[in-house]
Amino acid sequence: DAGITQSPRYKITETGRQVTLMCHQTWSHSYMFWYRQDLGHGLRLIYYSAAADITDKGEVPDGYVVSRSKTENFPLTLESATRSQTSVYFCASGTQITGELFFGEGSRLTVL
Amino acid sequence: AQSVTQLGSHVSVSEGALVLLRCNYSSSVPPYLFWYVQYPNQGLQLLLKYTTGATLVKGINGFEAEFKKSETSFHLTKPSAHMSDAAEYCCAGLTDSNYQLIWGAGTKLIIKP
Repeated sequence: DAGITQSPRYKITETGRQVTLMCHQTWSHSYMFWYRQDLGHGLRLIYYSAAADITDKGEVPDGYVVSRSKTENFPLTLESATRSQTSVYFCASGTQITGELFFGEGSRLTVL
Repeated sequence: AQSVTQLGSHVSVSEGALVLLRCNYSSSVPPYLFWYVQYPNQGLQLLLKYTTGATLVKGINGFEAEFKKSETSFHLTKPSAHMSDAAEYCCAGLTDSNYQLIWGAGTKLIIKP
């Protein structure tokens, strides 16, 4: 099915562990984004990618690592999870031409 | 500084009443503006967008928004609320820097029966 999928949808981990959230899109969109959503805040951009092998920091990149070896995949890694990284993470993709973003269903991460 | 501001973290209306969700943007944000809707446990989906041309923009599910440059506003309206409209609504503006959206904090729309 065409679309953008995130996995896992729900994850509970412990402080200090490494966690990877996966994102896969089937549209061949050039741009991909990772956001976090927390109560009282709008979506905050963690990292984005303009194309394969091109990534850049967003507003809140500390503690996160991304890679994009293939256009369709954009994994987000928390190298050493902290409680402050408990959040809902959204992956999105889009083209610069329309400005529209297509979102995954989100990954709810709890760090104990 | 570039910013998008949504007035009211929660808005409650009765079923059948007018829905008005407010969004203001800083004048430094280029006039590419969006409203997204997020239903519970789902990702965001585009409701409508303004890029150029007509300032009254119609979206899905009977929503519309009007771009008012003089007021730096892009308020979202719907004449008659339905229970299925209960969701989180997010306003966003597109920067001219590396295709990044600036997001408002979101407004949760509550529909009273």
